[in-house]
This record gives sequence, structure tokens and C-alpha cells, in this order.
Amino acid sequence: DAKTTQPPSMDCAEGRAANLPCNHSTISGNEYVYWYRQIHSQGPQYIIHGLKNNETNEMASLIITEDRKSSTLILPHATLRDTAVYYCIPGFGNEKLTFGTGTRLTIIP
Amino acid sequence: SAVISQKPSRDICQRGTSLTIQCQVDSQVTMMFWYRQQPGQSLTLIATANQGSEATYESGFVIDKFPISRPNLTFSTLTVSNMSPEDSSIYLCSVGWAGGLAGALETQYFGPGTRLLVL
Repeated sequence: DAKTTQPPSMDCAEGRAANLPCNHSTISGNEYVYWYRQIHSQGPQYIIHGLKNNETNEMASLIITEDRKSSTLILPHATLRDTAVYYCIPGFGNEKLTFGTGTRLTIIP
Repeated sequence: SAVISQKPSRDICQRGTSLTIQCQVDSQVTMMFWYRQQPGQSLTLIATANQGSEATYESGFVIDKFPISRPNLTFSTLTVSNMSPEDSSIYLCSVGWAGGLAGALETQYFGPGTRLLVL
């Protein structure tokens, strides 16, 4: 499994963009990069995933570097409800997902 | 996507007893997984529930302790047997779809979890 490195914690002011980095330098050529978040011990919530192109949906944007060794999740206008632990996970959706320790994002009013 | 429910949502159990957790999906899925999240920790995969055959367990997890059933494409159960306080965790099921074309939606969705406290 590809290893990931994420900062353990980050703060972001409400209304600002939250940029969460992830290093996944050992990702294999055909693995996707998935992002999930877990709000206060609820089940993880899928946010977005991508292979090599940047992706955007109603929740977030995902920027993947050209060498695919790192990515950044962007929450464009953070709200208090975005406070959660965010996980970056290389892999395939039809196989087991290996969760790291993630980034605890706190949105500051 | 899929709507996933788990029963019970939480329970408090005595050591030495067993608890069966149910996972129900509102549509047929190919893959079903069971994860454990110990207090303050990240998620760890217990096993992949295979329809019509024995589950595939990860290292450190055994069938005698965590028997799993998957009778059809929408339902699975996980039993935590002979419980001890160390089994106090959140247990989560997730579902996904196998195969498909490259780039097709291949995303796992998680249930709300079952919070287990063993005294």
C-alpha cells in the first residue's frame, strides 16, 4: 500500500479556503487518490477522488501534481461544519482502503 | 452512491458475551468491508465480506473472533465474539462496486458505525 504523509492538524478561518496537503510519493501508476473526512466519530464521508487530472465537485477541488506524488484538497469556503479529520488515501474503491492518521482540520469562527 | 444502515447504533455489553452487528444497503453492491476504529485511532480493516463464501480476514483478525456472514448482495453481519474491554470500538461497514471501466465510479461508502463499549 502507498504510504501517505499529512500534517496532523490545521486551522482555517471560517469563510476562507482550506488547503489540505498530502504526500503520497509511493503511489502506483493506476491508483486513485481518494479523500474522505470523518466528522466527530461518524462514518467516513467520501469527498472526492482523482487519478491524474484535477477534479472538482460540489464539496471540494482536488489538485494532483503532475508526478502524482502529492495532492491538495481545497475546501473553497470553509464553514464550521467542515471541522473534521481528513484522510488522503491512494488506492482503488473496490479494494480495501488503508487509512492513515489524517489531518484534523479545525475551522475557526 | 448508497444508503447504508447499521444496527445497533450503539451498545454496552458485558465481557464474555457476543454481539452481532448488521449492515444493510439500499442497493446491490459487489464489495462489503468491515472496519474497526479503536478510541482515538484511525480505521483498520477487519475483513472483506464475500457473498456466498468465507470472508477474507486481514492480518491480526480471525474468523473465530469476528465471524462474518454475507447471505446476499445487500446485507452482512459481523459478530464480535467473547468480548473483552479491548473490543470497545466503533465498527463500520463500507460498500463498493467491483469491476467497471477505467475511470468509472469506484468509491466506497461507509455506514454510520456501531459504537461498542465492553465492560
